[in-house]
Amino acid sequence: SQTIHQWPATLVQPVGSPLSLECTVEGTSNPNLYWYRQAAGRGLQLLFYSVGIGQISSEVPQNLSASRPQDRQFILSSKKLLLSDSGFYLCAWRGGDTQYFGPGTRLTVL
Amino acid sequence: TQLLEQSPQFLSIQEGENLTVYCNSSSVFSSLQWYRQEPGEGPVLLVTVVTGGEVKKLKRLTFQFGDARKDSSLHITAAQPGDTGLYLCAGSNYKLTFGKGTLLTVNP
Repeated sequence: SQTIHQWPATLVQPVGSPLSLECTVEGTSNPNLYWYRQAAGRGLQLLFYSVGIGQISSEVPQNLSASRPQDRQFILSSKKLLLSDSGFYLCAWRGGDTQYFGPGTRLTVL
Repeated sequence: TQLLEQSPQFLSIQEGENLTVYCNSSSVFSSLQWYRQEPGEGPVLLVTVVTGGEVKKLKRLTFQFGDARKDSSLHITAAQPGDTGLYLCAGSNYKLTFGKGTLLTVNP
C-alpha cells in the first residue's frame, strides 16, 4: 500500500531564515505530487505540483520554491521566510481523481 | 477560474441532530470528492462521486452529486461528536479544486 511522509511535523522559524520541508511517497512510482498551504484550518491553496523528476509547476507567485530531485521526493523551500508564510503545509500524491495527503507540517514564522 | 463554494462555513449542532452541507460551483466537474480533516492532520477521503445524480451512502453519511455535475451535498443523520471536523469538497477536471470547507462541531 502507498504511504506518504512529511517532516518535520512542526517547525518554528524566525523571519528571514531558510526553509526546507520534505515529502516522500512509498508504494507507487512516478506519482503526481502536490504542495498545499492551509491557513487557519480552512481551504487548501495549491502551491506547486510536479508530474515527474525535475518538473515543477507553480500555481501562485510567492516566496517559496519546490524541487523534485527523486521520483518519490518533493521538497518545499524558501531562502528567506516571511511572517505570511506561516501555515499548515500539506503534501499529497494523486491516484486517479483522488489525492492522498500526508500528515502535514505546522510552520510558525516569528 | 473554477471555484467551489461550500456552505455553511461553520456549523455547531447537538448530538443526534441531522445536518446537510453544500458544495456549489458554476463549473462542471468530471468527479467530486469529499474529505474530512481533523485538527493537525491531513484531509482523509470519504467518497468520490462521478455520475450526475449519483447517491452514495457511508454509514450515516449520504453524498449526492448534482444532475449537472456542478454541485454536491453531504447529509449526516444523527450526528455524533466523532463527526466533528472540517469537511472539504474538491472537484476534479485537469486538476483538483478545493472548497474552503465547512467546520462542523457536534456537541455531546
